Amino acid sequence: DAGITQSPRHKVTETGTPVTLRCHQTENHRYMYWYRQDPGHGLRLIHYSYGVKDTDKGEVSDGYSVSRSKTEDFLLTLESATSSQTSVYFCAIMDSYNYGYTFGSGTRLTVV
Amino acid sequence: KNQVEQSPQSLIILEGKNCTLQCNYTVSPFSNLRWYKQDTGRGPVSLTIMTFSENTKSNGRYTATLDADTKQSSLHITASQLSDSASYICVVSARITGGGNKLTFGTGTQLKVEL
Repeated sequence: DAGITQSPRHKVTETGTPVTLRCHQTENHRYMYWYRQDPGHGLRLIHYSYGVKDTDKGEVSDGYSVSRSKTEDFLLTLESATSSQTSVYFCAIMDSYNYGYTFGSGTRLTVV
Repeated sequence: KNQVEQSPQSLIILEGKNCTLQCNYTVSPFSNLRWYKQDTGRGPVSLTIMTFSENTKSNGRYTATLDADTKQSSLHITASQLSDSASYICVVSARITGGGNKLTFGTGTQLKVEL
């Protein structure tokens, strides 16, 4: 999607290894979000950021950490991946003027 | 607990036909309601957003309605096309302290349009 990219698009990792997913935006928006999408569930918020170095937990934050050292980049880290973290992860940015959300194309993560 | 429920879970229709998807929510305090389209392997894309005072909004062949009193919304798709095959997600936004908002997502209606 225009203005927001996620990397990698796909990743397979082993249980217990650290994993970092990257979200990059070119829109200069203040708010950025990480969600996970699982069958039978709506998207669930993991962490969000409201500025450089300003982050907060969402509803399913256990096992995840985030960092935002630059406006354009929001990183999601799984410190020690578990099979329950197998999911599709979406990053989103919010336009503070119209509260519109733009989602990235997602990262499909498989923990084996 | 804030919840968004969508029906049906899945739907198959013939190309050219119309369909209506439903969304019921219990989200408070209500800020706005959004409908998204999510193609397989892609992120959700916004179709419409409605505030409390709006009861209908259109985007091409997509028309969303909102009844804030009964906490129901619908998405009507007119003259369906094969490219409409996707998951349609209802998202309700609640106001939170500090001026932000919190989104609650439905699980989506999977629509398949066939020849």
